[in-house]
Amino acid sequence: ETGVTQSPTHLIKTRGQQVTLRCSSQSGHNTVSWYQQALGQGPQFIFQYYREEENGRGNFPPRFSGLQFPNYSSELNVNALELDDSALYLCASSPADDTQYFGPGTRLTVL
Amino acid sequence: AQKVTQAQTEISVVEKEDVTLDCVYETRDTTYYLFWYKQPPSGELVFLIRRNSFDEQNEISGRYSWNFQKSTSSFNFTITASQVVDSAVYFCALSERGTGGSYIPTFGRGTSLIVHP
Repeated sequence: ETGVTQSPTHLIKTRGQQVTLRCSSQSGHNTVSWYQQALGQGPQFIFQYYREEENGRGNFPPRFSGLQFPNYSSELNVNALELDDSALYLCASSPADDTQYFGPGTRLTVL
Repeated sequence: AQKVTQAQTEISVVEKEDVTLDCVYETRDTTYYLFWYKQPPSGELVFLIRRNSFDEQNEISGRYSWNFQKSTSSFNFTITASQVVDSAVYFCALSERGTGGSYIPTFGRGTSLIVHP
């Protein structure tokens, strides 16, 4: 186990709703990254936080937003959910610019 | 063009066979990192190896070995004497410095390995 935890494990929402996913990073890791993995695809980078500041963002619209807290845990918020947002959302933590260790993911279904 | 190409979508082998998973990458950076991750059915990505662009030495870890060749921009992964527990999706990833200054991985689409008893 990596020590990275995510909650909830599964989530079902309807179109237009908002969702918050949570991640607790491994002890000693100050960087958290979020990924979206659609079925049959590789993980796609959403954004990364380093010491509570966003320091990298992938090609995702502004309705995907995040936070990192002083204890380096993190949240991913998605507003105005769309059907295509259905995916496995993965959180990864790392020391800065080092290997990322992934959590078990949150499977989001949007109906 | 994809930055990371894993041309094999699915590979099926019988236990004890050797199998090689291919990964070809594309980058203009001189400093970058390459990774392999394993994703079993449970969904959690498991880190296997990280290589930096200046270290072309091949590596062996038990039944796993990796062949990094900058001349062909390839980072292939071989499993010797495969076992049923090796069945999973394997991802190759390239990490380059992003606009924010940190290294951001780009993942390939993965190769699904099925090992039959």
